[in-house]
Amino acid sequence: DAKTTQPPSMDCAEGRAANLPCNHSTISGNEYVYWYRQIHSQGPQYIIHGLKNNETNEMASLIITEDRKSSTLILPHATLRDTAVYYCIVRVAGGNQGGKLIFGQGTELSVKP
Amino acid sequence: GAVVSQHPSRVICKSGTSVKIECRSLDFQATTMFWYRQFPKQSLMLMATSNEGSKATYEQGVEKDKFLINHASLTLSTLTVTSAHPEDSSFYICSANMGQGDNEQYFGPGTRLTVT
Repeated sequence: DAKTTQPPSMDCAEGRAANLPCNHSTISGNEYVYWYRQIHSQGPQYIIHGLKNNETNEMASLIITEDRKSSTLILPHATLRDTAVYYCIVRVAGGNQGGKLIFGQGTELSVKP
Repeated sequence: GAVVSQHPSRVICKSGTSVKIECRSLDFQATTMFWYRQFPKQSLMLMATSNEGSKATYEQGVEKDKFLINHASLTLSTLTVTSAHPEDSSFYICSANMGQGDNEQYFGPGTRLTVT
């Protein structure tokens, strides 16, 4: 079973920041928080991941609370092409199975003009 | 960046026949590959984990004799759906890991299987 809880859907105005929350209250100390997104009828795309520090890359920022029980993915300036289902996943990195991903239902983000 | 391809992108087959889907890592060696299935309006469901040169590990409820996985090289894994039925119609997606450690999985574009 997925270990994360996300709102099923969210809307965001084009050009504004999209803040996608995720609860992972049972996360273990060796589990990372990963974010992927899936545009309709395509394979998922990696966005960002982190352990306990906040992370930023060219796509997004990841804010993880101090107790690590929740996180927020921030798309700073959403565009129409960011419309997708966003998945928050907790995962143990490495190991014999390379850290398999268990997908929950995700958040369907609709960016509107 | 790392690229994973799948072939074919779409396939239509008749009930009772078998169909093979290929997953290739184009610019890296994948020690581990994963196969997922996704039904319309649903999330991805992990089917199996495949390591090069060894038998695949199937998730609970996935029939290993129906979904044959072969990971013969570090750049190729295949999924064969045997004796396909209409309920096997789905979007099949593979992903690949470069190896152990803190690294992301790279996903293929998916294969749409329709069984008539």
